[in-house]
Amino acid sequence: NAGVTQTPKFQVLKTGQSMTLQCAQDMNHEYMSWYRQDPGMGLRLIHYSVGAGITDQGEVPNGYNVSRSTTEDFPLRLLSAAPSQTSVYFCASRSSGDYEQYFGPGTRLTVT
Amino acid sequence: GEDVEQSLFLSVREGDSSVINCTYTDSSSTYLYWYKQEPGAGLQLLTYIFSNMDMKQDQRLTVLLNKKDKHLSLRIADTQTGDSAIYFCAVSPPGGSYIPTFGRGTSLIVHP
Repeated sequence: NAGVTQTPKFQVLKTGQSMTLQCAQDMNHEYMSWYRQDPGMGLRLIHYSVGAGITDQGEVPNGYNVSRSTTEDFPLRLLSAAPSQTSVYFCASRSSGDYEQYFGPGTRLTVT
Repeated sequence: GEDVEQSLFLSVREGDSSVINCTYTDSSSTYLYWYKQEPGAGLQLLTYIFSNMDMKQDQRLTVLLNKKDKHLSLRIADTQTGDSAIYFCAVSPPGGSYIPTFGRGTSLIVHP
């Protein structure tokens, strides 16, 4: 049981480049979320999903796209990276019958 | 929307008790959590309390909830250097999605 996995661990992008941050969970959790963590800002919700085929926006969705074609995977896409998207990104998942969110180890993204 | 506030830093001596405080604004918040983040890692759920409880104790951890003042605290007894981490308060409303709102996190520094 690997839990929540995220790839890559580190990434450097140039302004305007695109990339996809991967997130997968093997716990058959219905709910998955993407957060960004910035110094002094805590965690802010980007997008979340309550099941395959269903996604919704969180607090800071601009510049990010998501899709949920399977229960296991919830990729986060940056279509045109900007320096303001330099952050640590965390994916989390939760069962509909549980209160605990399980977090991945994070992806540290730098946009120059 | 919900606003969750925490002080950013707390410094204690090893062996003393630590008290980390959190205030929130939405009185309908039903599930209240404390997460711990060690350096370079994701968040792990430390403990949680339901809004129909005033106190929860789990070994060295005591959570107190004052619903009238919308105040949540986490007390760590006999604080050890291994407790040095960032502690996040999070609250979520009633309803199926339980999407929590996180505070900015309190960095706990434990001096030997």
